Amino acid sequence: GESVGLHLPTLSVQEGDNSIINCAYSNSASDYFIWYKQESGKGPQFIIDIRSNMDKRQGQRVTVLLNKTVKHLSLQIAATQPGDSAVYFCAETRASKLTFGTGTRLQVTL
Amino acid sequence: SQTIHQWPATLVQPVGSPLSLECTVEGTSNPNLYWYRQAAGRGLQLLFYSVGIGQISSEVPQNLSASRPQDRQFILSSKKLLLSDSGFYLCAWSGTSVEQFFGPGTRLTVL
Repeated sequence: GESVGLHLPTLSVQEGDNSIINCAYSNSASDYFIWYKQESGKGPQFIIDIRSNMDKRQGQRVTVLLNKTVKHLSLQIAATQPGDSAVYFCAETRASKLTFGTGTRLQVTL
Repeated sequence: SQTIHQWPATLVQPVGSPLSLECTVEGTSNPNLYWYRQAAGRGLQLLFYSVGIGQISSEVPQNLSASRPQDRQFILSSKKLLLSDSGFYLCAWSGTSVEQFFGPGTRLTVL
């Protein structure tokens, strides 16, 4: 069946370093891919999205890369800060419905 | 600006009791509305979505039901809660873009 999953459940990064969070998906018919950040006890917050016809999209300190050949999505966070500590979810969207991956916890160490 | 509200924030209920969680959206018209459940340390599972008043689509057969009595109101209900209904319930809305905006969530514990 369809699935969106993450390679690593926990990622520990030192403050100031770059973070890379990976995601694999299996449904090649998805329209968009979205990254969400979820802090403890809160709802997910939109970070960045990318259309399926794009390879790369940049935001403020974040970059999303899409490799449709291997069905892989990544989120790069530059100069990781303590406030970036959270669980990050990738999600695919088709027909206004989101399918979420299981999430990666990013821990920023000082 | 648009805002989304959920209440209560936390809820502890005995097995077999009824449930009613409410979600309201302000600042937008005719939103798509969604209910998700998130188990501890897991991703989000879509339970219901609605594209208009009285229009409900169920994604997962279960002990829960949803209703949309008004354009910006979405209610999640159960007649008899099960232990397995415990979790973090999130309401979300979307407009013309693909992005979904999430509410603060309700932490439900069924004992």
